[in-house]
Amino acid sequence: AQSVAQPEDQVNVAEGNPLTVKCTYSVSGNPYLFWYVQYPNRGLQFLLKYITGDNLVKGSYGFEAEFNKSQTSFHLKKPSALVSDSALYFCAVRDVRDTGRRALTFGSGTRLQVQP
Amino acid sequence: EADIYQTPRYLVIGTGKKITLECSQTMGHDKMYWYQQDPGMELHLIHYSYGVNSTEKGDLSSESTVSRIRTEHFPLTLESARPSHTSQYLCASSAANTEAFFGQGTRLTVV
Repeated sequence: AQSVAQPEDQVNVAEGNPLTVKCTYSVSGNPYLFWYVQYPNRGLQFLLKYITGDNLVKGSYGFEAEFNKSQTSFHLKKPSALVSDSALYFCAVRDVRDTGRRALTFGSGTRLQVQP
Repeated sequence: EADIYQTPRYLVIGTGKKITLECSQTMGHDKMYWYQQDPGMELHLIHYSYGVNSTEKGDLSSESTVSRIRTEHFPLTLESARPSHTSQYLCASSAANTEAFFGQGTRLTVV
């Protein structure tokens, strides 16, 4: 079984400050990890993924995430937040060994609010 | 924007009606998925498909059914809609080594 935990329902940050959205995961094997963003009344947009290789992954819109195997974490970060980053963020995991279904398991989501 | 489309975007319908939510992708992906997103934001997998003529139930029990007659098309049907079916439904697709691509979603309200 696989699971994702996003411990914060909401994160508030001032524009221009760095932001972190936390994610921890649990899988039987090795993970593929993903971050998605959802704006109101829209589907999910892909931000970045960790498949293998460098633990620091860079993605769209200046976001990055660091894979930490020992802490089973994949926190999303951005050096300088923008008001337009305000949205709902989802972390997702898939077991590398799952070559059949390949469905993602999502966390409960974290609402990011960036204040001007 | 990913090449995966859902229609309608919004649907308000009366109890007992039959509805079909459409999902189409032009990327040639073999795997397709339906997720239900409840008001508390969580996404739950309700159906998936390995390919043509192959569908399976997901992790969350759903009264809906799906079909996959063509690679690009994965419609979801509710034979008799109820207020408990009110939710947002998200369709997605993926290939072997790619992330999942999502449609814009259908927000269903059953009155």
